[in-house]
Amino acid sequence: EPEVTQTPSHQVTQMGQEVILRCVPISNHLYFYWYRQILGQKVEFLVSFYNNEISEKSEIFDDQFSVERPDGSNFTLKIRSTKLEDSAMYFCASSDPHRRTGIAYEQYFGPGTRLTVT
Amino acid sequence: GQNIDQPTEMTATEGAIVQINCTYQTSGFNGLFWYQQHAGEAPTFLSYNVLDGLEEKGRFSSFLSRSKGYSYLLLKELQMKDSASYLCAASASQGGKLIFGQGTELSVKP
Repeated sequence: EPEVTQTPSHQVTQMGQEVILRCVPISNHLYFYWYRQILGQKVEFLVSFYNNEISEKSEIFDDQFSVERPDGSNFTLKIRSTKLEDSAMYFCASSDPHRRTGIAYEQYFGPGTRLTVT
Repeated sequence: GQNIDQPTEMTATEGAIVQINCTYQTSGFNGLFWYQQHAGEAPTFLSYNVLDGLEEKGRFSSFLSRSKGYSYLLLKELQMKDSASYLCAASASQGGKLIFGQGTELSVKP
């Protein structure tokens, strides 16, 4: 069964450093997403990506964040200068349009990258 | 504003039925999802409702009332492995942005 993969599984970094989180979405999916989940809190939307551009982003996704699809398979999230409050589990997800509605449908989540900022 | 409400925790007995309720308010709406999340793992898809009514899938069923902004997830013949957090999420745009609730932590006891 196809799955979303993410690397690394755990990243420890110092405050102020740049990190890049990597994802390989399911190969024929068209929509890509990043979410984060701070320990004990709810899953929060960061950004969605479609047709090689950001389609929507949340208030969390400020200038410190960027996304890229550098080739046909990878989807990355970069945090330029990490803060302590960026410590969280970051999930990548991908989806295809619903066959009836044409709207982005079931999102398959990757296993996540646990980011710890010290 | 955008808000998803669901109970924080529930307890049920193995073999029983449990219903987890969710109410939502979103500025756009393209369907209601239920996900299961075990501790330390990724959410996994359980169900999707875009039209009013009941969708059944094995031991799991999900109901939606768009006029009431209400959904529930029904789990039958509970098993110990069903102990997990159940996340209600509304799709709030054509691009599929999901707004999640806090999750309902379900404990299944023997």
